[in-house]
Amino acid sequence: GAGVSQSPSNKVTEKGKDVELRCDPISGHTALYWYRQSLGQGLEFLIYFQGNSAPDKSGLPSDRFSAERTGGSVSTLTIQRTQQEDSAVYLCASSGTGKSYEQYFGPGTRLTVT
Amino acid sequence: SQKIEQNSEALNIQEGKTATLTCNYTNYSPAYLQWYRQDPGRGPVFLLLIRENEKEKRKERLKVTFDTTLKQSLFHITASQPADSATYLCALLRRGSQGNLIFGKGTKLSVKP
Repeated sequence: GAGVSQSPSNKVTEKGKDVELRCDPISGHTALYWYRQSLGQGLEFLIYFQGNSAPDKSGLPSDRFSAERTGGSVSTLTIQRTQQEDSAVYLCASSGTGKSYEQYFGPGTRLTVT
Repeated sequence: SQKIEQNSEALNIQEGKTATLTCNYTNYSPAYLQWYRQDPGRGPVFLLLIRENEKEKRKERLKVTFDTTLKQSLFHITASQPADSATYLCALLRRGSQGNLIFGKGTKLSVKP
């Protein structure tokens, strides 16, 4: 079946602009995660959605970052007033209801803030 | 402080040899460890999971060990092939956590023919 998809694959934006990144998880997966990967760095957790529970926002680096998940499926990560340090690859992952928490990742969105 | 470290940024080995990658953690109580493979320009792909009460897991040419006393996991690829060249990430799930994985920075493996 279809895997996790993300759009756009690349985004170049000017400093100060807002951007929206989209994630379509695997159908039926209840958990959805956003991570950020900067050059030479590991994956940095941003936010986690599980079913109808309140999201775990503990990884969001500032209040310029927010995310929502509509209808328990598609998720949008929004970065307001982008800064150059926001440049990174933003990865989305989803996982099913099993206890293994195996995560399926999308290809990522490469964000470049100029 | 809490850390998860993959000791080598890069590992170069000859085809046919066994590659061994190391993942160490401090000040975490992991429920389990996962290993992922990441190719350039792509998202990570899940390979293996090992739980805190397990010592070893195998899958084809892959083997993972988990030593909670040493706070270390080893990831082995036997009979390595050039196609195994990629970055390998370890990730742990803290006991009591709901699924938020903590990732290491990865080890870039290059297998030379």
